[in-house]
Amino acid sequence: DIQMTQSPSTLSASVGDRVTITCRASQSISSWLAWYQQKPGKVPKLLIYKASSLESGVPSRFSGSGSGTEFTLTISSLQPDDFATYYCQQYNRTFGQGTKVEIK
Amino acid sequence: QVQLVQSGAEVKKPGASVKVSCKASGYTFTSYYMHWVRQAPGQGLEWMGIINPSDGSTTYAQKFQGRVTMTRDTSTSTVYMELSSLRSEDTAVYYCARGAPKWELLPGFNYWGQGTLVTVSS
Repeated sequence: DIQMTQSPSTLSASVGDRVTITCRASQSISSWLAWYQQKPGKVPKLLIYKASSLESGVPSRFSGSGSGTEFTLTISSLQPDDFATYYCQQYNRTFGQGTKVEIK
Repeated sequence: QVQLVQSGAEVKKPGASVKVSCKASGYTFTSYYMHWVRQAPGQGLEWMGIINPSDGSTTYAQKFQGRVTMTRDTSTSTVYMELSSLRSEDTAVYYCARGAPKWELLPGFNYWGQGTLVTVSS
């Protein structure tokens, strides 16, 4: 099975910061990667699909990049609404363990 | 509009089974695979398996092989997830989730059910 490893597990940042989360696959997954945002008690929300395509309605400060085994999710200027947990997922299967973005 | 509406919360004893339903509306039921994902309290997301509503074919995560059964009823546009031999570690919110049409082969689940809390306790 393909394993997905996210880093860091927790990230402390301030409003306006540029934030980058990394997701590594145990073997190549081409661009078959999605990113989600989840807030406590809420359903996950799709942000990015196919590694770098922005889901409709998602603010442009979110971007994704990478292919093969290494991927990144970047928030260009962190907003108060962005404090949440972020997950990557490969091939509509395995999720990463999550990255919690906290207020610094 | 697309809606995935799940059945209500369940409390089960260890060793029992639970069956969660997910009723789809607002789209052609057989054109999209349906997935099940669970999330234990304070933990991450865990993919459980996929069902093709067209023919009922399934693929399960290795961890759940032998304990999970996913089925569908095309007459009511409903998919079901049954988990047997429940243990306390199965206490979680269970979600159904849908992505792009089968022919688009795109990653990502853009529609989710509201979640069903299953509590396993003696």
